[in-house]
Amino acid sequence: QQQVKQSPQSLIVQKGGISIINCAYENTAFDYFPWYQQFPGKGPALLIAIRPDVSEKKEGRFTISFNKSAKQFSLHIMDSQPGDSATYFCAATVPKETSGSRLTFGEGTQLTVNP
Amino acid sequence: DAGVIQSPRHEVTEMGQEVTLRCKPISGHNSLFWYRQTMMRGLELLIYFNNNVPIDDSGMPEDRFSAKMPNASFSTLKIQPSEPRDSAVYFCASRATGQLLNTGELFFGEGSRLTVL
Repeated sequence: QQQVKQSPQSLIVQKGGISIINCAYENTAFDYFPWYQQFPGKGPALLIAIRPDVSEKKEGRFTISFNKSAKQFSLHIMDSQPGDSATYFCAATVPKETSGSRLTFGEGTQLTVNP
Repeated sequence: DAGVIQSPRHEVTEMGQEVTLRCKPISGHNSLFWYRQTMMRGLELLIYFNNNVPIDDSGMPEDRFSAKMPNASFSTLKIQPSEPRDSAVYFCASRATGQLLNTGELFFGEGSRLTVL
């Protein structure tokens, strides 16, 4: 069962524009929400993450907005650059310190930033 | 640190052949994950280990797939016999469980691209 829904599947943005990717989850036990960035031929890499005790987290041009009541979170990329062109995955997990836990990934969004 | 190391990077084989993918996690990481990535299904968790013990293998598609982690520095994913529908990129990832409450960051290898003809 897919527990994290991501949209859109693909996104084309002009350089300098704002890229917005949305995710929704079902499991209210999730308490850690990372975003991963994947370039062609590479594995995904952690970009930014948020816990549900805050509504927003910003790192440089990247911002996560979190709406706990709606069970939704989104990634905003400000001043998008061609180098941001990649596939972005949202994810969620219930951390378990002793036994480890699994990340549930969204379907991915292929972002293209045109120069 | 060298990161998560996977081999081979590319594998082309014929249907029915045995395929073995290998992974060396980051030293000190005690959780290891195998993911499969396809256009149709995205990133799917196949199995994960904690302290070399399989914790959840519910994502393994069928008995043709098996995974082992004989020690903390090595894991294999085996497909026998392989089928064309197994064609995908297989990723190994590792994490230090003790860091879960801080970052939960998962470190991925560069993947093994499998093509079954």
